[in-house]
Amino acid sequence: QKEVEQNSGPLSVPEGAIASLNCTYSDRGSQSFFWYRQYSGKSPELIMSIYSNGDKEDGRFTAQLNKASQYVSLLIRDSQPSDSATYLCAVTTLKAGYQLIWGAGTKLIIKP
Amino acid sequence: GAGVSQSPSNKVTEKGKDVELRCDPISGHTALYWYRQSLGQGLEFLIYFQGNSAPDKSGLPSDRFSAERTGGSVSTLTIQRTQQEDSAVYLCASSPEFSSGRDGYTFGSGTRLTVV
Repeated sequence: QKEVEQNSGPLSVPEGAIASLNCTYSDRGSQSFFWYRQYSGKSPELIMSIYSNGDKEDGRFTAQLNKASQYVSLLIRDSQPSDSATYLCAVTTLKAGYQLIWGAGTKLIIKP
Repeated sequence: GAGVSQSPSNKVTEKGKDVELRCDPISGHTALYWYRQSLGQGLEFLIYFQGNSAPDKSGLPSDRFSAERTGGSVSTLTIQRTQQEDSAVYLCASSPEFSSGRDGYTFGSGTRLTVV
């Protein structure tokens, strides 16, 4: 079992709809959770971080964390073609000395 | 600096040559990481530095790879006797403090290495 798992996709969503990206993790001691966006040919950029159970909203993005079920999700409302990218989930754990453990990423395609 | 700076942005080298890749982290960031990303693949951890502690070299794929960090700031990743399978984008990232785990990483724009 991988420590951080994501569906590789591609996930195709029509423009204007809600894109839902999911990530599961294996270590119950995971403490901090991050979503990065990576455009093709570019480096990853941090878009959301979440540390407590529940929802965290920032503009069109909402991160959701459920520690009991060991998943974290990212919702993108009113999806735009410019949201087309690979989204990487990363978590920190005490076991890993707080280094980020990365998922392989989900490729998201927003269709006009 | 304002961001993580990597140089060169692109490097084409002949098989068997040595290359040096440079990373200048955000000023004040104590933790520095090197990753490799092959086309269409995820991030492959190579090495990290935290302050004056011994670096974690557990991700280096072979003894042809080495890295150093001088004065707790600039880092150089060296690949000796390059092979075609070394072709990838090499990404550097930094973070302000390793122990808290809450800050995430800031990435540089990467060095695209092509071995011909």
